[in-house]
Amino acid sequence: AQSVAQPEDQVNVAEGNPLTVKCTYSVSGNPYLFWYVQYPNRGLQFLLKYITGDNLVKGSYGFEAEFNKSQTSFHLKKPSALVSDSALYFCAVSLKISSGSARQLTFGSGTQLTVLP
Amino acid sequence: NAGVTQTPKFRILKIGQSMTLQCTQDMNHNYMYWYRQDPGMGLKLIYYSVGAGITDKGEVPNGYNVSRSTTEDFPLRLELAAPSQTSVYFCASDAQGTDTQYFGPGTRLTVL
Repeated sequence: AQSVAQPEDQVNVAEGNPLTVKCTYSVSGNPYLFWYVQYPNRGLQFLLKYITGDNLVKGSYGFEAEFNKSQTSFHLKKPSALVSDSALYFCAVSLKISSGSARQLTFGSGTQLTVLP
Repeated sequence: NAGVTQTPKFRILKIGQSMTLQCTQDMNHNYMYWYRQDPGMGLKLIYYSVGAGITDKGEVPNGYNVSRSTTEDFPLRLELAAPSQTSVYFCASDAQGTDTQYFGPGTRLTVL
């Protein structure tokens, strides 16, 4: 069975400093990996995904993530954090669930990022 | 484009009551999904649909039903509400072959 782990419930970082939100995964085969962000009382917003190709994936709002197959990790990063980046971040892995191309997202438990002014 | 919309935003039910959570998308996506999010947890898949007239169970389907009569709409039905169904419900959709799901704002349901 596939699974995703986010080892940190909470990450605090000062504005302007680099941030990292950690994610490790367990899947059979080649993983489809995603990062979503959730602001209070809002739905999840897609940030970026890794399907294949370059291990460094760039996404929305200046975020990027590095796929590391040997460490089965997909950490989210940003060079300079903003107070407005404060939100709940979810890592997810995608599994094909039908004979078509529908896929089920399996999410980690989420990491609350707080950027301090 | 409004994207994925959900109604209502909030609802309180008594045990045994029924209700339908509405989900509509205007992106002409084939695939639609219902997830639930329990406190401190990631989302879990309840049901999904790959097109009008086609639905299938996800990870946690018990206590729920769905239908997909049109491409745009994918309502989720709770027939006999139970406290264990207290959760936030998210609808999502994606276009065939894109692998990226887009989520609605959610419905917060409390069963007392």
